[in-house]
Amino acid sequence: GAGVSQSPSNKVTEKGKDVELRCDPISGHTALYWYRQRLGQGLEFLIYFQGNSAPDKSGLPSDRFSAERTGESVSTLTIQRTQQEDSAVYLCASSLIRGAGGAYNEQFFGPGTRLTVL
Amino acid sequence: AQSVAQPEDQVNVAEGNPLTVKCTYSVSGNPYLFWYVQYPNRGLQFLLKYITGDNLVKGSYGFEAEFNKSQTSFHLKKPSALVSDSALYFCAVRSPGGSASKIIFGSGTRLSIRP
Repeated sequence: GAGVSQSPSNKVTEKGKDVELRCDPISGHTALYWYRQRLGQGLEFLIYFQGNSAPDKSGLPSDRFSAERTGESVSTLTIQRTQQEDSAVYLCASSLIRGAGGAYNEQFFGPGTRLTVL
Repeated sequence: AQSVAQPEDQVNVAEGNPLTVKCTYSVSGNPYLFWYVQYPNRGLQFLLKYITGDNLVKGSYGFEAEFNKSQTSFHLKKPSALVSDSALYFCAVRSPGGSASKIIFGSGTRLSIRP
């Protein structure tokens, strides 16, 4: 694929419902990140997957948030019992981390999923 | 813990003038530093990075950034601003844990270039 893709592009849900957001990274990219961007604000780190290592979940704001990634492919971010404060754009990024220089590689971002919780 | 700060929410510059967008960081050891730009209704794009070596790094669209270890700063600069440079700019840092460490972003600085 040409770049990182995310689906859906927009999601409107009711408070209390569960939502699943999907990210397709660039083929061959070993690292995958999820960030949250509230309106007019910066990127808030959520979770980081690198290869087969245990993910860094230190940014997940509550136990309502979880994410999975199978191998080096698709990732899903799940938000259970959504709240209005979950409304934001959820960004996914991937990068290639192989070998000694891989940690220096830049991230490629998807277009984001705009989540609105009513 | 690593952190990055962008002290200015907004920077306003006249077209043709030099611009600076500030970034300071806090990590243990030598950092990996990045700048990204977010144009309206578009995704984040990579601009440049500092890993090691020359403190002045050059990137896309005529931007450059200067790494200053003593001041723990990585300010973004451009000698002559264009109206098309108006966008949201983010500084990011990865600690020297390599691929085991996450990348975190600053709060962003909105750059506005007036004609």
